[in-house]
Amino acid sequence: QKEVEQNSGPLSVPEGAIASLNCTYSDRGSQSFFWYRQYSGKSPELIMSIYSNGDKEDGRFTAQLNKASQYVSLLIRDSQPSDSATYLCAVYGSSNTGKLIFGQGTTLQVKP
Amino acid sequence: KAGVTQTPRYLIKTRGQQVTLSCSPISGHRSVSWYQQTPGQGLQFLFEYFSETQRNKGNFPGRFSGRQFSNSRSEMNVSTLELGDSALYLCASSLGAGTMYGYTFGSGTRLTVV
Repeated sequence: QKEVEQNSGPLSVPEGAIASLNCTYSDRGSQSFFWYRQYSGKSPELIMSIYSNGDKEDGRFTAQLNKASQYVSLLIRDSQPSDSATYLCAVYGSSNTGKLIFGQGTTLQVKP
Repeated sequence: KAGVTQTPRYLIKTRGQQVTLSCSPISGHRSVSWYQQTPGQGLQFLFEYFSETQRNKGNFPGRFSGRQFSNSRSEMNVSTLELGDSALYLCASSLGAGTMYGYTFGSGTRLTVV
């Protein structure tokens, strides 16, 4: 079982729709969860962080965390073509010397 | 505020050679992590340094090594290069080590081994 799993996609949504990206993780003691966006040919860019159960909103982005189900999600409201990118879920392990582990990423395509 | 600077941006090396990549973190950031990114494997963790100490290491052979200097700048070295080492090598810096800090990535070094 991979430590962090994402559906590779592509996930295709029409402009203006809500895009829902999902991620599961295996380390039950994980404490910190991040979403990165990576445009083709560019490096990953941090867009959201979440540390406790529930929802965290930032503009059009909402991160959701459910530690009991070991599940993290990212919702993008009013999707724009400029949101087309690969979205990487990253999880920081439970030990004090843990490491930030990335999922394979989900490719999102927003069609005009 | 300057971002994370990685040099060089591109490298072409021959099998068997060695290579050194450099990373300058954001000013004030004391933690540097290195990742290898390939289309098939995604982002794979190499190592993390904080205050010149390696805190964690990923599942890579001993040919991959790194270090961090007192000014937080970091280098990674790959010896006896193999074709499979061709990848984008990304450096990320964070304010501190631990669970609460997000990472800022540099633009990466694209290494091609021929």
